[in-house]
Amino acid sequence: EPEVTQTPSHQVTQMGQEVILRCVPISNHLYFYWYRQILGQKVEFLVSFYNNEISEKSEIFDDQFSVERPDGSNFTLKIRSTKLEDSAMYFCASLKGQKTSIEAFFGQGTRLTVV
Amino acid sequence: AQTVTQSQPEMSVQEAETVTLSCTYDTSENNYYLFWYKQPPSRQMILVIRQEAYKQQNATENRFSVNFQKAAKSFSLKISDSQLGDTAMYFCAFMKQEGGSEKLVFGKGTKLTVNP
Repeated sequence: EPEVTQTPSHQVTQMGQEVILRCVPISNHLYFYWYRQILGQKVEFLVSFYNNEISEKSEIFDDQFSVERPDGSNFTLKIRSTKLEDSAMYFCASLKGQKTSIEAFFGQGTRLTVV
Repeated sequence: AQTVTQSQPEMSVQEAETVTLSCTYDTSENNYYLFWYKQPPSRQMILVIRQEAYKQQNATENRFSVNFQKAAKSFSLKISDSQLGDTAMYFCAFMKQEGGSEKLVFGKGTKLTVNP
């Protein structure tokens, strides 16, 4: 069964450092997402990506965040200068498209710890 | 903007019993989808069940069923014959049907513990 894969599973970084979280969505999916879950809290939408551009972003997704899909397979989330409050679980998700399937598939997540 | 409310932060149930998790939502949309996701200790997000708002019939998936009340904007999850493996966080989520990025809006979750 196809799945969304994320690497690394756990990343520890120093405050102020740049970090890149990687995701390989399901190959024939059209919509890609990043969500964040601070420990013990709800899952929050960060950004959606469709047709090689951002289609929507939340207030959390400020100038410190960026996404790209450079080679048609990997979908990355970059945080330029990490802050302590960026510590969270980051989930990548992909969706085929509502005309075909409404199910969003999630990766196993990357636990980011900023120290 | 859509909001999803789960009023039960924690619940527990005895193995083999039935439990119902509550979810309400607020939207001005008429066409949308609703979901329940399970997040076990591994933190993986797993789809449990989904409901299309235009369908009157409640969705069922084996031991999992929903009670969808569109007018009341309520979407509860019933787990029958609870098993130890059902212990997890359960998130209710909303998605607009069209015209947007089709993002999921999640509730805060209910932590369910199944006791032996």
